[in-house]
Amino acid sequence: GEEVAQTPKHLVRGEGQKAKLYCAPIKGHSYVFWYQQVLKNEFKFLISFQNENVFDETGMPKERFSAKCLPNSPCSLEIQATKLEDSAVYFCASSPDKNTEAFFGQGTRLTVV
Amino acid sequence: GESVGLHLPTLSVQEGDNSIINCAYSNSASDYFIWYKQESGKGPQFIIDIRSNMDKRQGQRVTVLLNKTVKHLSLQIAATQPGDSAVYFCAEIPFSGYSTLTFGKGTMLLVSP
Repeated sequence: GEEVAQTPKHLVRGEGQKAKLYCAPIKGHSYVFWYQQVLKNEFKFLISFQNENVFDETGMPKERFSAKCLPNSPCSLEIQATKLEDSAVYFCASSPDKNTEAFFGQGTRLTVV
Repeated sequence: GESVGLHLPTLSVQEGDNSIINCAYSNSASDYFIWYKQESGKGPQFIIDIRSNMDKRQGQRVTVLLNKTVKHLSLQIAATQPGDSAVYFCAEIPFSGYSTLTFGKGTMLLVSP
């Protein structure tokens, strides 16, 4: 597609439940990024992929967060045993190459209650 | 750690004024900079970018200035319009070949008619 598509737009989970977010990058883009934004403040980088390979996972809280980008499937970000502090908007972005503009999706708002 | 930051959290201007949004970065090896605009409930939208081998770049009504000596980036918006009201973020790629964007804190621009 011509834009990054994220689903669902909103997600509500009880504390301790699992949350799974999806992202379809722009067709032909090799890089996919996940960011977390809390209260419209700065973006916290979580993880990036180059095609289906993890490129950089330095921002990933590894105990409960995992992510995949498999061929011919949307990328996904999964949070096991959600906590209240996981409430945020999660953005996915894709770019065609290194050192170029990243195109963002509209985000998934996760609310943990 | 090193970070990108903004000086002014909120900027209020009148319609038709010129706006200047500033950003300081701390990594002198940063190679690529982008300004994003984020409207309420939406993902960041690319405005303009600049590479470290340039000090100025102009787009339609927007200009980005890069001062590598003092590690400062600014976004100038000419003839600001109510539709420019949004939160603006600067972002950098820390060094060449490393694709992850690091975001600074946002500045909210409020344009009064």
